[in-house]
Amino acid sequence: RKEVEQDPGPFNVPEGATVAFNCTYSNSASQSFFWYRQDCRKEPKLLMSVYSSGNEDGRFTAQLNRASQYISLLIRDSKLSDSATYLCVVRGWASNFGNEKLTFGTGTRLTIIP
Amino acid sequence: DAGVTQSPTHLIKTRGQQVTLRCSPKSGHDTVSWYQQALGQGPQFIFQYYEEEERQRGNFPDRFSGHQFPNYSSELNVNALLLGDSALYLCASSRRRVAGVTDTQYFGPGTRLTVL
Repeated sequence: RKEVEQDPGPFNVPEGATVAFNCTYSNSASQSFFWYRQDCRKEPKLLMSVYSSGNEDGRFTAQLNRASQYISLLIRDSKLSDSATYLCVVRGWASNFGNEKLTFGTGTRLTIIP
Repeated sequence: DAGVTQSPTHLIKTRGQQVTLRCSPKSGHDTVSWYQQALGQGPQFIFQYYEEEERQRGNFPDRFSGHQFPNYSSELNVNALLLGDSALYLCASSRRRVAGVTDTQYFGPGTRLTVL
């Protein structure tokens, strides 16, 4: 089983629609959770951190359910510029020095259609 | 404020050769992590350097090695290249706060390695 699993898509969504991505992780000891965005042939960029209480940044809302080991991202009123690959990312702890290793899902490809 | 920089941007090698990739972290950052991203996959953690030592390693063979210099820049070396090593190699930098916890990792643009 993969440590972080995402639906690879692709998701083709009309402009203005709402789209939701889901992600599950296998390591219950995971400590921090993120969504990164990656444009074609570019580096990943942090979109937002994910907290148990849920958090919102403009049109983007992220949720974390630790009991179900489930992370979600909701994009409202989608724009053409939202077209990208969205990567679910988990960070945990190592035994001796702390753990900065980021574990990525395979990413979900989103295309917003005019 | 310069972000994370990597060189070269593209590289073509043949099987069996060796390659060195370079990374300069964002100003103020002291920790460098390396990731391999194959086509259609998410980045996979290779290793992380802090205070010039490898602190954590992913599931990569010993052919993958690295180094961090006193100015926090880093190199990734891959020996005996295989076709399967063709990928985008990403460097990420961060700043260590306390007890092994760092701030957000910022990625460089990557080096695209093609092995023929």
